[in-house]
Amino acid sequence: ELKVEQNPLFLSMQEGKNYTIYCNYSTTSDRLYWYRQDPGKSLESLFVLLSNGAVKQEGRLMASLDTKARLSTLHITAAVHDLSATYFCAGNDQGGKLIFGQGTELSVKP
Amino acid sequence: NAGVTQTPKFRVLKTGQSMTLLCAQDMNHEYMYWYRQDPGMGLRLIHYSVGEGTTAKGEVPDGYNVSRLKKQNFLLGLESAAPSQTSVYFCASSFIRVLIYEQYFGPGTRLTVT
Repeated sequence: ELKVEQNPLFLSMQEGKNYTIYCNYSTTSDRLYWYRQDPGKSLESLFVLLSNGAVKQEGRLMASLDTKARLSTLHITAAVHDLSATYFCAGNDQGGKLIFGQGTELSVKP
Repeated sequence: NAGVTQTPKFRVLKTGQSMTLLCAQDMNHEYMYWYRQDPGMGLRLIHYSVGEGTTAKGEVPDGYNVSRLKKQNFLLGLESAAPSQTSVYFCASSFIRVLIYEQYFGPGTRLTVT
């Protein structure tokens, strides 16, 4: 069964700094997903990574996938307060299910 | 399109009471899911459905039942609520294409059991 682990679980950043969230998964996953959740809100899809070496970027966020290392990263460039949220990664499990990581709570402070 | 909607948004139950949460989607998605979210636990799958008339157990199914009588609706029932079921419940739906299971989430239902 697929297991997905994120680190760090909590991240406090200063505005303007760069940082990376790591997502490790235990077995082969065909796809890797990143979601964002604002406090008290639902989950919003950010990226779907389809294959080894895939890289996707949206604004200050860039996600990548290394299937050989079973690792995905979410890189934050020059953080701004609006990026404060909880970020989840997830991988494909059997039968059309997703397995989610624990989430990384990001707080960007001025 | 409304996407995925959930009813109700908030609910307080006493221990032993029952209730049904309704999830509806207007995207013609085949797959639907119920999750619960608790602090520090991420999202845990309760039950899911791969099509009308089908249901399957997820990671934490005990104490819950589900039904999918219509493609667009997925109901989650609590027959005898317990304080341990206090949580935020999310419904999601997806279509499957080329092994892409991207899920679209509803706004959530905050349930408190006293």
